[in-house]
Amino acid sequence: GAVVSQHPSRVICKSGTSVKIECRSLDFQATTMFWYRQFPKKSLMLMATSNEGSKATYEQGVEKDKFLINHASLTLSTLTVTSAHPEDSSFYICSASVQETQYFGPGTRLLVL
Amino acid sequence: QKEVEQNSGPLSVPEGAIASLNCTYSDRGSQSFFWYRQYSGKSPELIMSIYSNGDKEDGRFTAQLNKASQYVSLLIRDSQPSDSATYLCAVIGPFNYGGSQGNLIFGKGTKLSVKP
Repeated sequence: GAVVSQHPSRVICKSGTSVKIECRSLDFQATTMFWYRQFPKKSLMLMATSNEGSKATYEQGVEKDKFLINHASLTLSTLTVTSAHPEDSSFYICSASVQETQYFGPGTRLLVL
Repeated sequence: QKEVEQNSGPLSVPEGAIASLNCTYSDRGSQSFFWYRQYSGKSPELIMSIYSNGDKEDGRFTAQLNKASQYVSLLIRDSQPSDSATYLCAVIGPFNYGGSQGNLIFGKGTKLSVKP
């Protein structure tokens, strides 16, 4: 149980394009979903917290207009990286929370050329 | 400043030994504690959660919590090379950390290497 999927697992795009990443809880309903970013050999950094039906809460320093989050249902949240640039290349990981426990998706590796 | 501290390691143990991973946290009111394992290039995977003082065992893993000392540890018995990974300690405090309820505060992780 408590399986979280992410799609795509890997994406390469040109600078200036937008990329959408989906996060789904497959066998449970998640009241809250979280989006993280991790650069090589660095710690997980929380980007934003997403609750179904309400606006996402962004961490300090994360541009909400650049990283658009939509939490359409209790099993789906999407992160759109708008006008991506090479410095946005990173490992993006979502998690879904049930009763305080966070279960992580497998992550999406984004490379912006 | 709410903090979770871990020794970054690397912690190197021989195969079959007990690996002991330690974590301290600054917020005395913290209630929920988690250990995650992260293999290189992969996302974190939940190993255990612990909420009460004492030990909690799950297979080869034992989590230990001491709220008075603000200390949580993870013991891995009969360590295997496949246990080689970074182990993340995470804590949820008693109240919001400027974001939504349930935000995890992660330590920087301890890298464990189990030598065959």
